[in-house]
Amino acid sequence: GENVEQHPSTLSVQEGDSAVIKCTYSDSASNYFPWYKQELGKRPQLIIDIRSNVGEKKDQRIAVTLNKTAKHFSLHITETQPEDSAVYFCAASRAGGFKTIFGAGTRLFVKA
Amino acid sequence: DTEVTQTPKHLVMGMTNKKSLKCEQHMGHRAMYWYKQKAKKPPELMFVYSYEKLSINESVPSRFSPECPNSSLLNLHLHALQPEDSALYLCASSQVLRPPGELFFGEGSRLTVL
Repeated sequence: GENVEQHPSTLSVQEGDSAVIKCTYSDSASNYFPWYKQELGKRPQLIIDIRSNVGEKKDQRIAVTLNKTAKHFSLHITETQPEDSAVYFCAASRAGGFKTIFGAGTRLFVKA
Repeated sequence: DTEVTQTPKHLVMGMTNKKSLKCEQHMGHRAMYWYKQKAKKPPELMFVYSYEKLSINESVPSRFSPECPNSSLLNLHLHALQPEDSALYLCASSQVLRPPGELFFGEGSRLTVL
């Protein structure tokens, strides 16, 4: 069935360092890959997304890369700041499907 | 208005009670969702409504009963819940349906079942 694996489950970095979170999906028909950030006690919010016809997308300090052949996609955060501390979820959905399949989440700690 | 509004924010109920969670959006989205989120876990899909019709029920127990009275409102009726149903219940909507595209989540209703 559809599955998204996410690593690592916890990531601790120093302020100013980069953070990388990796995900693997199982459904080769997946064509939309969003990333959500959920701060403590808050709602998940989309921070960046990528579609299967694009290999990389960047928005200021965050970027996402997609390798369709390997079914991998990754989130890169540069120059991390304490306010980047949150849980990050990768997700995938397939063409024609109703569902968004979430990864297990990565808890990111940015130490000042 | 780019918000999804959920009420109540907190709810405590006994196992014999009947209560309802409410969700409202005014973005013109025709797809609405109920998710359940346990602590330190990802959101887990429960129901999908598209154009006010139930499209997906992820084998959710009948003690949870969804309702979509119109394109802006989504309810979740609760009856005879179990303590393990205690969780954060998130409503979401999306402009694009298949696949869902960006999900706009509400702040959630935190449910405690005693």
